[in-house]
Amino acid sequence: GQQLNQSPQSMFIQEGEDVSMNCTSSSIFNTWLWYKQDPGEGPVLLIALYKAGELTSNGRLTAQFGITRKDSFLNISASIPSDVGIYFCAGQLSGGSQGNLIFGKGTKLSVKP
Amino acid sequence: NAGVTQTPKFRVLKTGQSMTLLCAQDMNHEYMYWYRQDPGMGLRLIHYSVGEGTTAKGEVPDGYNVSRLKKQNFLLGLESAAPSQTSVYFCASSIWVYEQYFGPGTRLTVT
Repeated sequence: GQQLNQSPQSMFIQEGEDVSMNCTSSSIFNTWLWYKQDPGEGPVLLIALYKAGELTSNGRLTAQFGITRKDSFLNISASIPSDVGIYFCAGQLSGGSQGNLIFGKGTKLSVKP
Repeated sequence: NAGVTQTPKFRVLKTGQSMTLLCAQDMNHEYMYWYRQDPGMGLRLIHYSVGEGTTAKGEVPDGYNVSRLKKQNFLLGLESAAPSQTSVYFCASSIWVYEQYFGPGTRLTVT
């Protein structure tokens, strides 16, 4: 099936540092979403992007829909301990089946106080 | 507003046993989904529903059945559990396909 390549797989950073992660694909997407999952919980929607080139912020989080529609980026500024978790990108393929989101394998973020 | 709830939270089955996972949402969402999450595999779609009385197959439907008799409920059934179905199962719902809201998950172990 279609794949989203999410990188990096894991990050271990110092509190206060900025974080960048991305998702890429060889296919074109109509929509990109970013989720965060805390241990033992379900994913929580952070940001949704609907247009190529779109840049959207949610507090310290900023995400962008790549201009080629094949990638998306998530940045977290001034990280804090509660940012720890797994971040997933997800996308709706152009021409894909209704109801089908494709998920990346996640970026595990650890923050050292 | 409870959002999306899942029952049970944990379950252990023996190979060959059957069970049903219940998902309920109180947001009047049309779309509902069942995913499984395995280590290193991300979330994979099992089945989904675009409205009451409808269901469709996702990426990994084999060994599972679903029913959506009421708009607010989406049931996932395992007729004959196998160890390969050991996983964490998540239900999600959405007004339309993109912004999906997830439940807390059901951790299933098949021995």
